[in-house]
Amino acid sequence: SAVISQKPSRDICQRGTSLTIQCQVDSQVTMMFWYRQQPGQSLTLIATANQGSEATYESGFVIDKFPISRPNLTFSTLTVSNMSPEDSSIYLCSVGEEVHEQYFGPGTRLTVT
Amino acid sequence: AQSVAQPEDQVNVAEGNPLTVKCTYSVSGNPYLFWYVQYPNRGLQFLLKYITGDNLVKGSYGFEAEFNKSQTSFHLKKPSALVSDSALYFCAVRQFSGGYNKLIFGAGTRLAVHP
Repeated sequence: SAVISQKPSRDICQRGTSLTIQCQVDSQVTMMFWYRQQPGQSLTLIATANQGSEATYESGFVIDKFPISRPNLTFSTLTVSNMSPEDSSIYLCSVGEEVHEQYFGPGTRLTVT
Repeated sequence: AQSVAQPEDQVNVAEGNPLTVKCTYSVSGNPYLFWYVQYPNRGLQFLLKYITGDNLVKGSYGFEAEFNKSQTSFHLKKPSALVSDSALYFCAVRQFSGGYNKLIFGAGTRLAVHP
């Protein structure tokens, strides 16, 4: 299984600012995913990041708000832009191929004040 | 669209007793089903999956799940619960959409194992 790290592990940010979350994998993977887990809720997929192409966003998520980079097969970033308190969530990246299970990073706990 | 339902927000079990966390699914075609666990302040950990084959799937930490096609269920089970099993459990189903395989998660069930 892949080992995934995320930075930062947590942050407290002011509304109107932006935060970039990094996701690093210890092996090369094609597919990386970004999820949001709002307090007390389940995981919602934000976007799928395939190396070498633009990220594919799920309904309700847009690139201007959540720009994603995928410069190589082991790294991705998610930026939460122009934050509001409603963006307070845990953000998780994961990796997975085809029908195999996905492996998740430890998450980034974001609080927006 | 594929979906999973976890009908119980919370399950309470005494340590040493068997536990069951319920999951039902709605899919078109063959279901690919997964269970994950989330401990406090941690990411999700993969427990087990059903792709095809034997209906009883064994996974990590002594957990198993039974795939039941007629009841469209994939309940998570453990013969003897431990206090350390207390966590948030998610059932998930694979969905192929937009050229990608994605995981669709249930709402989660909080398992509380009491000494």
